[in-house]
Amino acid sequence: QKEVEQNSGPLSVPEGAIASLNCTYSDRGSQSFFWYRQYSGKSPELIMSIYSNGDKEDGRFTAQLNKASQYVSLLIRDSQPSDSATYLCAVGRILTGGGNKLTFGTGTQLKVEL
Amino acid sequence: GAVVSQHPSWVICKSGTSVKIECRSLDFQATTMFWYRQFPKQSLMLMATSNEGSKATYEQGVEKDKFLINHASLTLSTLTVTSAHPEDSSFYICSAKAVGANVLTFGAGSRLTVL
Repeated sequence: QKEVEQNSGPLSVPEGAIASLNCTYSDRGSQSFFWYRQYSGKSPELIMSIYSNGDKEDGRFTAQLNKASQYVSLLIRDSQPSDSATYLCAVGRILTGGGNKLTFGTGTQLKVEL
Repeated sequence: GAVVSQHPSWVICKSGTSVKIECRSLDFQATTMFWYRQFPKQSLMLMATSNEGSKATYEQGVEKDKFLINHASLTLSTLTVTSAHPEDSSFYICSAKAVGANVLTFGAGSRLTVL
């Protein structure tokens, strides 16, 4: 079982629709959760971070975390063509002895169509 | 906001040569920097954690003698790919975290092509 799993997609949504991206993780000790957006050939940029169960909203983006189900999602409202990218789910945990580790999923490719 | 500069953004080299990639935190101090590698259509794989003033911590399967990491100051970490081969061709990305911060800031990445 992969540590962080995402559907690779592509996920196609029409412009203006809601895009729903999902991620599951295997380590129950995970404490921090992030969504990054990565355009082709570029490095990831942080979209959202979430640390506790529930929803967190920032503009058109809403992150949802359910630690009991080991599930984190990202909703993008009013999707725009510029949102077309690969979305990486990342899960962090503090390591025994100090330090922390961030594990990335393989990413979901989102295509927003005109 | 925190900015991480990575250089060079792309490099082409001959097989057997060594390539150095620099990662600088421009407006904050980073006691820890991270080096990732990303092959096409794959996720970021952590290669090593670079600790200022001490040896890097390498992930399982990553050869420390091939991927030399030096973190000589609080704002600079370097990754040297020694005796590069075509299979080392990849997108190398560094990231850093400011003291007390929870989120990573990524550099723009360095695309290495070994001929």
